[in-house]
Amino acid sequence: NAGVMQNPRHLVRRRGQEARLRCSPMKGHSHVYWYRQLPEEGLKFMVYLQKENIIDESGMPKERFSAEFPKEGPSILRIQQVVRGDSAAYFCASSRTGASGRNEQFFGPGTRLTVL
Amino acid sequence: QKEVEQDPGPLSVPEGAIVSLNCTYSNSAFQYFMWYRQYSRKGPELLMYTYSSGNKEDGRFTAQVDKSSKYISLFIRDSQPSDSATYLCAMSEGTYKYIFGTGTRLKVLA
Repeated sequence: NAGVMQNPRHLVRRRGQEARLRCSPMKGHSHVYWYRQLPEEGLKFMVYLQKENIIDESGMPKERFSAEFPKEGPSILRIQQVVRGDSAAYFCASSRTGASGRNEQFFGPGTRLTVL
Repeated sequence: QKEVEQDPGPLSVPEGAIVSLNCTYSNSAFQYFMWYRQYSRKGPELLMYTYSSGNKEDGRFTAQVDKSSKYISLFIRDSQPSDSATYLCAMSEGTYKYIFGTGTRLKVLA
């Protein structure tokens, strides 16, 4: 009865490198969400994906950030040319239902990204 | 003004006390109200999920929503040291986009 899985749990990158964060939703869930949590701030919505589709990326920075959820395999959040300001905890959540109405989101353990 | 306001705490209470955690909000279109518990360096865990106004009880936890005042509460009865965590409120208009408070840190002292 696995929950939402994320890896790696901790990721250290130098400025200018790429970061790839992975998320496998709960069994039976086909809706995935990525959130970012900065110190002393609440979680901020970044992007909502279904299999092979980006539904809403309004919370994603316009440059360097991208997300995908392929037909097979986990969802990936990709950050290119990382900067110190990207250091944060990135959480993935999944839900059984999607866009409207009852939508319970269950969160993974997060990936803590540190940019040196 | 933030859309969702939450006192950051920390809130320290003795074991066995009743804890009251609160959030206020400004968007009258919010319809779904959630409470999550987050232990240090862990992911948020869904505690309560409520729709519209009223109360919902689950074990030692009671969630209360007052839409007329734009105010929600989470009550924890018979608090335990294991309840020490950060409690996050979250809200949505009925879509997937959750708006979170910044969280209240709770410490229950043995």
